Amino acid sequence: NAGVMQNPRHLVRRRGQEARLRCSPMKGHSHVYWYRQLPEEGLKFMVYLQKENIIDESGMPKERFSAEFPKEGPSILRIQQVVRGDSAAYFCASSPRHTQANYGYTFGSGTRLTVV
Amino acid sequence: QKEVEQNSGPLSVPEGAIASLNCTYSDRVSQSFFWYRQYSGKSPELIMSIYSNGDKEDGRFTAQLNKASQYVSLLIRDSQPSDSATYLCAARLRGGAGNMLTFGGGTRLMVKP
Repeated sequence: NAGVMQNPRHLVRRRGQEARLRCSPMKGHSHVYWYRQLPEEGLKFMVYLQKENIIDESGMPKERFSAEFPKEGPSILRIQQVVRGDSAAYFCASSPRHTQANYGYTFGSGTRLTVV
Repeated sequence: QKEVEQNSGPLSVPEGAIASLNCTYSDRVSQSFFWYRQYSGKSPELIMSIYSNGDKEDGRFTAQLNKASQYVSLLIRDSQPSDSATYLCAARLRGGAGNMLTFGGGTRLMVKP
């Protein structure tokens, strides 16, 4: 009964390259949430997706960042033309479509992006 | 005011003592609250949730919610060095989509042997 799976665990990119981060939700979960954690800071919401639909992207930077959750396959967070400030840990969580008020989701192990 | 606020710490307590971690929240937050523990270099791990006024106990952990004063606390009894971590308070926003949580900045706890 696998949890939320993220890969890669560590990703190094040179400035200007593209970074692709993947998240496979828990079995039976149709909703995915992406968060970013800068060094020594808390978790910041980025985007909330269900399959083939973005529900809320209010935390996504306006440029260079995009996310998708296709009908088949994992959710992808894509960062184009990375800059040093994109270096952070990116965490993904998932939930079923309908949850109770006290449902707290489980995070994947995260992808640590380093831009050199 | 941020939706969820925490003192960044570090909070230092001796082994065996009670560690008290606090979190305040704004009117933009709904009444469901969560405490996560995050060890350095690891992902956040859900410890407890609370949405009713009062206390909720689970082993050495007690979550307290005071809606009138808009704060939520986590007490750790008989603190152990293995409890040393960053503790994140999270809440669901009023009218927020789905299960989205907003997080405080976290409080770093250090338990000294």
